[in-house]
Amino acid sequence: QVQLVQSGAEVKKPGSSVKVSCETSGGIFNNYALNWVRQAPGQGLEWMGGIIPISGAANYAQKFLDRITITADESTNTATMELRSLTSEDTAVYFCARAYTSETYYSPLIYWGQGTLVTVSS
Amino acid sequence: EIVMTQSPATLSFSPGERATLSCRASQSVRTNLAWYQQKPGQAPRLVIFAASTRATGIPARFSGSGSGTEFTLTITSLRSEDFAVYYCQQYSNWPPYTFGQGTKLE
Repeated sequence: QVQLVQSGAEVKKPGSSVKVSCETSGGIFNNYALNWVRQAPGQGLEWMGGIIPISGAANYAQKFLDRITITADESTNTATMELRSLTSEDTAVYFCARAYTSETYYSPLIYWGQGTLVTVSS
Repeated sequence: EIVMTQSPATLSFSPGERATLSCRASQSVRTNLAWYQQKPGQAPRLVIFAASTRATGIPARFSGSGSGTEFTLTITSLRSEDFAVYYCQQYSNWPPYTFGQGTKLE
């Protein structure tokens, strides 16, 4: 049984950064794309980026290119997403989600973390 | 970037009825299309992938169809637990993954 467990809620000031972690258990970590998807209050789902741990290289949505970093630690089966230069528009629930098919991003997202609420407020 | 459009934003049904949800892609995604169910305060749950394949544990009353740019999710004989928001997502043309804006089944 694959489980993704995310770190807890965060409250951040505008201009600061946030790191959200996602620990995978019960499955193979290295070969599956681990993606980050966010959802602003009352809004839809927005893909931010992802990483296939075995490749080490992350891929990002154009919108976040200049202020996001996604990393993966194979020793702890944990992926981390850092978002910098936060504004109130970054207030959202951030989900990690694992791909169904190994070693590709061309895959639906089958396993999801519980979500982490990030609130950006002065 | 492929734009996914779901309409309408809200559909109203009674338990036992049949619901049909639509999703349109701005260009062909072949059958690289997934549907997710999301309930308040929960993460999305994969319902259908490859346009028509039910994910593990999804009841047979859920079915998906379509290819190219037009897709449908059908739920026969709605149950109370089916009332949620449904999102379609394409994974044919990446990056980025793109989602529809969702259809709320109420």
